[in-house]
Amino acid sequence: EAGVVQSPRYKIIEKKQPVAFWCNPISGHNTLYWYRQNLGQGPELLIRYENEEAVDDSQLPKDRFSAERLKGVDSTLKIQPAELGDSAVYLCASSLDRRASAWETQYFGPGTRLLVL
Amino acid sequence: DQQVKQNSPSLSVQEGRISILNCDYTNSMFDYFLWYKKYPAEGPTFLISISSIKDKNEDGRFTVFLNKSAKHLSLHIVPSQPGDSAVYFCAASGGGSEKLVFGKGTKLTVNP
Repeated sequence: EAGVVQSPRYKIIEKKQPVAFWCNPISGHNTLYWYRQNLGQGPELLIRYENEEAVDDSQLPKDRFSAERLKGVDSTLKIQPAELGDSAVYLCASSLDRRASAWETQYFGPGTRLLVL
Repeated sequence: DQQVKQNSPSLSVQEGRISILNCDYTNSMFDYFLWYKKYPAEGPTFLISISSIKDKNEDGRFTVFLNKSAKHLSLHIVPSQPGDSAVYFCAASGGGSEKLVFGKGTKLTVNP
């Protein structure tokens, strides 16, 4: 079974440029998460989707970040414009559902490492 | 304000010995705890979990202990193997919040 797929794996851009990340979750997983992991830190949730609905985006910096999950499957996360502080690893994860017991079924993708110069 | 704290950035142990990774939390509403393992250039992978109704959960070489009164949990790996070398994240959820809060991680190195 294929895991969570993310692309690109690495991205280097100059500040003020736009950037987009793509995620394909595990088939059948209704819940999709985007996390940001800064250097030396643990992952922090940016947004959670239940099917195509964003049910928790309280940590998403909405002035420059946007996300969508069309048709409840693939998802994209966009930053426009990027700032130096956005350099981080952006992780996508998916799980069967949002119950606490489902955390064990939360699988992470390899992440996209973003460097903003 | 960090709700989940892993105060040891790194730990080094000899192969065959026990590895003990520690995690403290401040939010008394947390009721579910997990440990994740992360290799370089990969996403975290689930390792073991424990509910607040238990004080111990064991899975092979991995055991997690929970001390609710101290708001402390630990992961024991016995015996440690070189393949266990990775970053280990403690995470917690609960209190009506449907999200995981992660610690900063502890890098474990198991020397042959």
